[in-house]
Amino acid sequence: SQTIHQWPATLVQPVGSPLSLECTVEGTSNPNLYWYRQAAGRGLQLLFYSVGIGQISSEVPQNLSASRPQDRQFILSSKKLLLSDSGFYLCAWRTRDRNYGYTFGSGTRLTVV
Amino acid sequence: QKEVEQNSGPLSVPEGAIASLNCTYSDRGSQSFFWYRQYSGKSPELIMFIYSNGDKEDGRFTAQLNKASQYVSLLIRDSQPSDSATYLCAVIASNTGKLIFGQGTTLQVKP
Repeated sequence: SQTIHQWPATLVQPVGSPLSLECTVEGTSNPNLYWYRQAAGRGLQLLFYSVGIGQISSEVPQNLSASRPQDRQFILSSKKLLLSDSGFYLCAWRTRDRNYGYTFGSGTRLTVV
Repeated sequence: QKEVEQNSGPLSVPEGAIASLNCTYSDRGSQSFFWYRQYSGKSPELIMFIYSNGDKEDGRFTAQLNKASQYVSLLIRDSQPSDSATYLCAVIASNTGKLIFGQGTTLQVKP
């Protein structure tokens, strides 16, 4: 069966520090991968998605970047965090079949102080 | 007009009652519809999907789809306090294939 791993679960980082969040998927190949952010009490905001290794599409211009160095690995990064980067970051995957929904990882709660 | 609209709630129902959650969408070409449940502090969990007009039942949950009215609903029968969560409606955009989420409806089931 397919599983999605996301770490760390919580993170407290000072303003101006770098960020690296990692997500890996097991039990499938060629998944579509997604990074979402959910601010407190808000809806899900799609940040990046990837349909293959090295292929990244950005949905919202911001202080973040994403990379997909391997088929089942998706990384969210920042060189310098801002206070507004605080939130709940979620990785998700889906098969290439667009009729299926997304499966989410357990999320990383990031607090920038 | 938002692509997927939900009443943010909270919707409060007594234990044992039927909870009715509603969602409208703007993309007439959409073919696939999903309901996610998100407990506070947790990630969304897929609980129902529906592709055809009509009803789809899974245990205490029934999803209803009316493509002509661009309307999706989720009924929860015999609501339990453990059903208290935010329910997210999601629709696959016909042009991009991306999953578009509503803002979610918060459900409170009171014992």
